[in-house]
Amino acid sequence: NAGVTQTPKFRVLKTGQSMTLLCAQDMNHEYMYWYRQDPGMGLRLIHYSVGEGTTAKGEVPDGYNVSRLKKQNFLLGLESAAPSQTSVYFCASRSPSRTAGRPQHFGDGTRLSIL
Amino acid sequence: QQQVKQSPQSLIVQKGGISIINCAYENTAFDYFPWYQQFPGKGPALLIAIRPDVSEKKEGRFTISFNKSAKQFSLHIMDSQPGDSATYFCAANGRGYSTLTFGKGTMLLVSP
Repeated sequence: NAGVTQTPKFRVLKTGQSMTLLCAQDMNHEYMYWYRQDPGMGLRLIHYSVGEGTTAKGEVPDGYNVSRLKKQNFLLGLESAAPSQTSVYFCASRSPSRTAGRPQHFGDGTRLSIL
Repeated sequence: QQQVKQSPQSLIVQKGGISIINCAYENTAFDYFPWYQQFPGKGPALLIAIRPDVSEKKEGRFTISFNKSAKQFSLHIMDSQPGDSATYFCAANGRGYSTLTFGKGTMLLVSP
């Protein structure tokens, strides 16, 4: 049982390049999330999805786009990478619940450096 | 959703000591308070969680204390071990919210 898998694990980009980060989950979860983690800033939500074909903005959405064409996959795109987007990116998923309380399951992150 | 404030930012505890991390929230609609543990190079993982209908929840050496009137909750790690060295995040969620609000994290180092 793989859980949440993020691809790639590491990447170095030049300013202005584009790339897509892939998140795949095998737990049949409806909800999926993209976070970035920077020193002293905690986990900041970029975008999220509450089901196939839906996306919503989080706390820091600028410079990123997402797509959820299949339930098990959530893609995060950087159209024109900037050094400020150097970060560790985490994907997470969870089941919905009528009451809050279903844990989010995280992948092990993608370490992205933009020169 | 409003902030969850977490303190301290970092903490050093001797082996066998008690580690205490505190969080405070503002949104009274929150009704689920999880703690996540993150080891270097890994994603966060759920450690323990509490709902506001109880004042304390214990799982092994980890205890959450919850004070609803003060809108505060804390994580206590008893008999802290070097293997507990990690970053800890508190979080909060409420019915109708599909996202978690995270604190900024506490980096815990347990010295041998």
